[in-house]
Amino acid sequence: QSVLTQPPSASETPGQRVTISCSGSSSNIGTNFVNWYKQLPGTAPKLLIYSNNQRPSGVPDRISGSKSGTSASLAISGLQSEDEAEYYCAAWDDDLGGLYVFGTGTKVTVL
Amino acid sequence: QLQLQESGPGLVKASETLSLTCTVSGGSVGNSNYQWAWIRQAPGKGLEWIGTVYYTGRTFYNPPLKSRVILLIDKSNNQFSLRLTSVTAADTAVYYCARKGPGYNSYYLDFWGRGTLVAVSS
Repeated sequence: QSVLTQPPSASETPGQRVTISCSGSSSNIGTNFVNWYKQLPGTAPKLLIYSNNQRPSGVPDRISGSKSGTSASLAISGLQSEDEAEYYCAAWDDDLGGLYVFGTGTKVTVL
Repeated sequence: QLQLQESGPGLVKASETLSLTCTVSGGSVGNSNYQWAWIRQAPGKGLEWIGTVYYTGRTFYNPPLKSRVILLIDKSNNQFSLRLTSVTAADTAVYYCARKGPGYNSYYLDFWGRGTLVAVSS
């Protein structure tokens, strides 16, 4: 049911920067805030970015989010082994009376 | 620190009703600043939002699930619950409860439970 499209995978060496894209439409990203979640295997997702570019307490500033039109991006700089995880974008969608939609997910591998 | 804990049967028979409860500690489900949500994740798949319940009992459901889902809130026990009727194998998933962060114009899930696996048997 995912209406937000992400690349299935991304990889980079330690210390480098990786960027994950999230493509949506006018009813979701084009109108509403974008959030990002990080999920390690076997654990619950963790909020990483909310309201396009805000970091919850405890999330390092090497992690950033941005939005332009109907797309959004998550950037992780100074890549570390602990960043290896699945990442999901999400946004409220105004279609069908309103629902919260997640992206397809991107597996980040630290080479 | 806010904590959420899912509880309920780990196995449900097909065509029956899945019932889960989320117990909240370190905060109140009666706080008007927040809403309370359920999300699920089928094995090896992505995240799917099920719905949200407000302290007033007002609910928002994912349209494809709307006809089978009921979300309830129990302020006296500081819990909220999920009922999913007529389950099939496609409902096998890890079910998470979570809190929607504050703010009328933004929707994000800032605290999550650990999740509970529910399998549907034929």
